[in-house]
Parts: sequence; structure tokens; C-alpha cells
Amino acid sequence: QQQVKQSPQSLIVQKGGISIINCAYENTAFDYFPWYQQFPGKGPALLIAIRPDVSEKKEGRFTISFNKSAKQFSLHIMDSQPGDSATYFCAASRGYGNQFYFGTGTSLTVIP
Amino acid sequence: NAGVTQTPKFQVLKTGQSMTLQCAQDMNHNSMYWYRQDPGMGLRLIYYSASEGTTDKGEVPNGYNVSRLNKREFSLRLESAAPSQTSVYFCASRLNPLRTSGGSFFGPGTRLTVL
Repeated sequence: QQQVKQSPQSLIVQKGGISIINCAYENTAFDYFPWYQQFPGKGPALLIAIRPDVSEKKEGRFTISFNKSAKQFSLHIMDSQPGDSATYFCAASRGYGNQFYFGTGTSLTVIP
Repeated sequence: NAGVTQTPKFQVLKTGQSMTLQCAQDMNHNSMYWYRQDPGMGLRLIYYSASEGTTDKGEVPNGYNVSRLNKREFSLRLESAAPSQTSVYFCASRLNPLRTSGGSFFGPGTRLTVL
């Protein structure tokens, strides 16, 4: 059973556009939600993360929106650039626990 | 500061062969993890070590064993490889999940093919 459901599987966006990736979870005990970026042939790298006591967190062009009541969170990439083309994974963990549950990934392509 | 390193980068095995994947981190992190990544499945946790001297099973531990050799090193062993273990394996580390939030740092991966 997938603990974290991610959509879409793939996304194509024009340069300068907004990329939006969505994730949903069921376990209300989750309280740490990171996003990872992975380039081909590389390991995932932490991009941005949020805890459920805030509804939004912004770092540069990357924003996480969090809806606790709906048990959903999303990644917004503003002014998308070709260099943002990568696979993005959402994840969730409980407390400061050891186990992260990952979404299945979204392959983002930004067209020049 | 190399971060998380993994060896080998690529490996081809025949069914039934054994091998050990090596992982080391130089960030003085307490926790270390082994994940496998398969198309359409995301990353799934195989085993983890919360601290030196402890190991625990993750989501998909069958067919694998681990050893936390010291604080820096965490190895993953396949005793009798099967084609279903064809995957990309990532090692990761995290400072101290019991005291701080924060994501994990991943190594570059080992691409394993079992024929």
C-alpha cells in the first residue's frame, strides 16, 4: 500500500511557467514532509521541506503548500527553467522517526 | 567532505551469486539507510541503522542483510541474488532524526543487474 500518493507521473512545462506536483497521504501521524530532486544518474537531493504547523514554505522559486485537513501537499516551481528538468519525489515521515515514505516520483521536463 | 559514497557504481551478477554493497559517510551522521529504487515504485527502504550498533528492517528487507560496521560505514549484502533484486540501490544518512528534523543525504547509487 502506497503511503504517499504522488501525481502526475510526468509533467511538461514551458520555460517561465509554473510546475505543480501534488502529493496526498493518509497517516495523520506524519509530520515532516520533504521534497527531493533527482537528476539522471544521481542520488536524490533534499530540495525543501515543511512541517504541518505552517501552510506554506517558500525558498527561492520553490514553494510547498500544505493542506492539513485535506492531507495534501504540493510543490510549486515558479518561473520554471530547463535546469529544473528532473524527477521530483515527495516524502513523509512520522515525528522524528527514521522511516521516510516516498511518492512514486514525477518526471518534470521544462521546454525552452 | 565527500558526503555519502557508495561502491561499486555498477554490478552485474548471476542468479545465486552473492555480493556486498559498501556505503560510507563523512558527515558524522548517526543514522544510515539503504533504499532501492525501481521504475514507478519510488524509493523503498530496505534496512536502516538508527545509530551505531543497531539495525532495523524497512519495507522490503527480504533477501538482504546489513552490517553497521562503525559510525561511518553501513553495508548491504545480497546472499543469493535473484532477478527481482535488479534495481538501483541508494545509501543515505541523516544527522539524528530523534533530535532534529531534516532530510537525508543520498549517495550516487549502485546499479545492480541480476541475470
